[in-house]
Amino acid sequence: NAGVTQTPKFRILKIGQSMTLQCAQDMNHNYMYWYRQDPGMGLKLIYYSVGAGITDKGEVPNGYNVSRSTTEDFPLRLELAAPSQTSVYFCASSVGSGGGTDTQYFGPGTRLTVL
Amino acid sequence: GDSVTQMEGPVTLSEEAFLTINCTYTATGYPSLFWYVQYPGEGLQLLLKATKADDKGSNKGFEATYRKETTSFHLEKGSVQVSDSAVYFCALIAMNNNAGNMLTFGGGTRLMVKP
Repeated sequence: NAGVTQTPKFRILKIGQSMTLQCAQDMNHNYMYWYRQDPGMGLKLIYYSVGAGITDKGEVPNGYNVSRSTTEDFPLRLELAAPSQTSVYFCASSVGSGGGTDTQYFGPGTRLTVL
Repeated sequence: GDSVTQMEGPVTLSEEAFLTINCTYTATGYPSLFWYVQYPGEGLQLLLKATKADDKGSNKGFEATYRKETTSFHLEKGSVQVSDSAVYFCALIAMNNNAGNMLTFGGGTRLMVKP
């Protein structure tokens, strides 16, 4: 199993450009997540999905969009990139068990710089 | 809202020293508690977890006990190694979470172990 994979590893964008961060998992997990990690801070949830075709906002969704057309893939779209979106982005997945005891499995991250 | 507070780093120790990283939380009810570790250049991985009061999570020589009375989940290890150098994140999933088992993270504590 590859686990959770993310592409690209690094990207530099100019202000106003758009891009899609790719995320895939091969563990047949129902739940998937996008987090961002700012320097010296913990991770903040951007969007999440509890299954194919179902997505919802997390704590910091502004400036982002997601889709979940398959169980495996959960791309994150940045429209009109801004310097405030400079961050490290992590995708994660979990089985989706009830009771909040899920272990989340994280990808290696995408480091994005907006200049 | 829910929150996690952990001691700021960096924490610098010599090999074989005793490690404590403090973590306290604010949440209603009984959240599930986690420690995640992030090695340089990698994504986060679960170190240990505890899902109810007085539970002790343990893994790779690390331990943490869920203390409801003090709302704490301090991470300990009796003898650290250079390979334990990483950033450690304390996190929780709220009991009645409405965001697909969203993890709420502390700010992270960087540990550096010198030979």
